[in-house]
Amino acid sequence: AQSVTQPDIHITVSEGASLELRCNYSYGATPYLFWYVQSPGQGLQLLLKYFSGDTLVQGIKGFEAEFKRSQSSFNLRKPSVHWSDAAEYFCAFITGGGNKLTFGTGTQLKVEL
Amino acid sequence: EAQVTQNPRYLITVTGKKLTVTCSQNMNHEYMSWYRQDPGLGLRQIYYSMNVEVTDKGDVPEGYKVSRKEKRNFPLILESPSPNQTSLYFCASSRVTGEQYFGPGTRLTVT
Repeated sequence: AQSVTQPDIHITVSEGASLELRCNYSYGATPYLFWYVQSPGQGLQLLLKYFSGDTLVQGIKGFEAEFKRSQSSFNLRKPSVHWSDAAEYFCAFITGGGNKLTFGTGTQLKVEL
Repeated sequence: EAQVTQNPRYLITVTGKKLTVTCSQNMNHEYMSWYRQDPGLGLRQIYYSMNVEVTDKGDVPEGYKVSRKEKRNFPLILESPSPNQTSLYFCASSRVTGEQYFGPGTRLTVT
């Protein structure tokens, strides 16, 4: 079955520390991959996307993600977390026809000052 | 400004009372979609539309209807809401393929 797995439901990091959020997908081909962020009470904002080409993609707010085909992973990273990064992060990919996004269940990030 | 708008943002209603949540986009996107977000389940697609008069079911279509009479609008209709439809709803739009732009969300409570 096509699915996205985010194994960490909650993550807490100290401000200034590095961050890595994990994402694994199950799909028969290389999908289009996305990371979205949702701040409390807000909608979803696109952080970055991977369609093809360079497997290390840069996004907004200092985030980057690396696509690893051999591991079916698309992990999100940030070298130094800011308190304003506290939010919920969703990994997603497009599957099949119709541009349907399949989402992971999300990772809630807490930043300690 | 390019955006997806939804109305209302908050709605409390009673079981069985028909309601419509409107969605409009100003980017001339062909593709529009509705998702619901529930704790621990992420976002799940309800219905989508590839273009005017073309709609199809997503993963959780039961209890919902949609229509696409104009390219910019994609309303979500709950003919007879039930408490299990209490959720946060998002509308999204995009080109046929590519990143989707999300509306601000509609928080619906059905009592």
